Amino acid sequence: DGGITQSPKYLFRKEGQNVTLSCEQNLNHDAMYWYRQDPGQGLRLIYYSQIVNDFQKGDIAEGYSVSREKKESFPLTVTSAQKNPTAFYLCASSTWTGSPPGNTIYFGEGSWLTVV
Amino acid sequence: DAKTTQPNSMESNEEEPVHLPCNHSTISGTDYIHWYRQLPSQGPEYVIHGLTSNVNNRMASLAIAEDRKSSTLILHRATLRDAAVYYCPPRSPYTGANSKLTFGKGITLSVRP
Repeated sequence: DGGITQSPKYLFRKEGQNVTLSCEQNLNHDAMYWYRQDPGQGLRLIYYSQIVNDFQKGDIAEGYSVSREKKESFPLTVTSAQKNPTAFYLCASSTWTGSPPGNTIYFGEGSWLTVV
Repeated sequence: DAKTTQPNSMESNEEEPVHLPCNHSTISGTDYIHWYRQLPSQGPEYVIHGLTSNVNNRMASLAIAEDRKSSTLILHRATLRDAAVYYCPPRSPYTGANSKLTFGKGITLSVRP
């Protein structure tokens, strides 16, 4: 079935370590996104990419990095510079042109990151 | 970016209709109005969208104000499975920076048995 796969579902990180969250989609979507969600809060955009080898910062990019070497993949690295990384991370994808439902956004199941 | 405002929460009784409001007073003329919902510990899922006219699908109905500055998601008969956070992000049909989707805090719907 087509969809977005995030891994791992749960991840624990020691302070000072970098960790990478995986996001893969087989929907043939051009655009991909990473959001962060803190408990009881809305979604905040970290990074987004409209095409391979190109990405832009969202609202809270500091302490994070991404790459987009393949259309299907958009991994997120949470670096040691991110001072409060414990959160729920959501990856999403969409086509980026045209009227709905073509540009509907599809989300993965999310990854829980906890700093220990 | 177009901003949205919603009440923090609403409560409903099971099998009764629910009207979830959203204000998007800065929406551009070409932005679509999307609604998504998020169940606990899951990613958001698409519910419905519209541009100017009211819309119906198997999940819900969407009523859009004539000036497009607000919209209302209507669940005709709430069920316990409808308990979720509902978001209403405007969505541009164009590329570039407009392609990002900005979510607010959403409105938390609780459904009483």
